Amino acid sequence: KNEVEQSPQNLTAQEGEFITINCSYSVGISALHWLQQHPGGGIVSLFMLSSGKKKHGRLIATINIQEKHSSLHITASHPRDSAVYICAAANFGNEKLTFGTGTRLTIIP
Amino acid sequence: DAGITQSPRHKVTETGTPVTLRCHQTENHRYMYWYRQDPGHGLRLIHYSYGVKDTDKGEVSDGYSVSRSKTEDFLLTLESATSSQTSVYFCAIRGQASSYEQYFGPGTRLTVT
Repeated sequence: KNEVEQSPQNLTAQEGEFITINCSYSVGISALHWLQQHPGGGIVSLFMLSSGKKKHGRLIATINIQEKHSSLHITASHPRDSAVYICAAANFGNEKLTFGTGTRLTIIP
Repeated sequence: DAGITQSPRHKVTETGTPVTLRCHQTENHRYMYWYRQDPGHGLRLIHYSYGVKDTDKGEVSDGYSVSRSKTEDFLLTLESATSSQTSVYFCAIRGQASSYEQYFGPGTRLTVT
């Protein structure tokens, strides 16, 4: 069974700061997913990546397969980025996801 | 949002009663999933389906059953609800082969008293 750990659990930052959220997993995977959940809201898929780096607007996700580690970066953070960010590791073959417990990000104006 | 709806969105029920949650999708996706989300545990897979009448268990399947009689609907049933099944339940579908991203429904908040 894959173990997925995220750090930090909680993160508070000032508007404009560069944010990094980390995710590590214990077993080889086919892909790593990053999800976003706003308070009381639904879950939105941000990225799915199996190698290298992906960028969407101010969000950047990277993965190092050898080190079993992924990071989510937010540049020029904004209060609307306040949410819980969740990483999930997909098993080879069945693509079943094992989730981290999430990082609660709060951006202060 | 991949056309995913869940019903009901909120439900309060008593211990021992049966409950069925419905997930409906409009885009003919083959894979569908039921998760529960609890504080301190994150999301956990209950059951999933890889086609009509094809289902399999996830990591927390005890006390739950599922059915998928047509592509668009995936039902989750609690045969006899317990307080430990109080949770938020999310349905998800998996994208097509070019993108295995998962797309989530809006969630159902279930309270078992």
